[in-house]
Amino acid sequence: AQKVTQAQTEISVVEKEDVTLDCVYETRDTTYYLFWYKQPPSGELVFLIRRNSFDEQNEISGRYSWNFQKSTSSFNFTITASQVVDSAVYFCALSEIRGSQGNLIFGKGTKLSVKP
Amino acid sequence: NAGVTQTPKFRILKIGQSMTLQCTQDMNHNYMYWYRQDPGMGLKLIYYSVGAGITDKGEVPNGYNVSRSTTEDFPLRLELAAPSQTSVYFCASSYSGQGGNSPLHFGNGTRLTVT
Repeated sequence: AQKVTQAQTEISVVEKEDVTLDCVYETRDTTYYLFWYKQPPSGELVFLIRRNSFDEQNEISGRYSWNFQKSTSSFNFTITASQVVDSAVYFCALSEIRGSQGNLIFGKGTKLSVKP
Repeated sequence: NAGVTQTPKFRILKIGQSMTLQCTQDMNHNYMYWYRQDPGMGLKLIYYSVGAGITDKGEVPNGYNVSRSTTEDFPLRLELAAPSQTSVYFCASSYSGQGGNSPLHFGNGTRLTVT
């Protein structure tokens, strides 16, 4: 069965610390997409990144970086030099590709609190 | 370009009442979705639509109905509200299907309480 596990329910760090949010997924498919979304305290969901199963290159965007490892079925998200504005709930999601229809499966989210 | 707009932002319903959550998008996306988010949980898909006139059930459709008469609008109807439907509801749209190459664009959510 397809599943996304975010084992860390809540993380609290002090500003400028680095923090890694873990995401482990299960799927039978060889072709799939992985996503990260951010939900700040205001409640909206903001798309951060998409990675397809054939692209294992790590990606860096400013203070954000993502480490995709198929061998361990993980798609971890690191924030370098965290800031208070990074405080949010972060969701990892898995999408299977079946023609034009897919099913997006979300993890339960990790709540990150960055304290000044 | 407003993106995905949901109304209302908040609503309190009594058990057995009905209501419609409105969702409209101005990005000309074919695909639209309704999710619910319960505390400490991820999002669960209620219904989705691949284009005007076409809708299908997601993971948790019971107690809800949808329609898609235009590309822009995808309202979600609760016929007989129950306390189990207390949740935050998100509407989303995408250029291609969830399994495809485009991310979802979410509305700001509707917080619904049924008492």
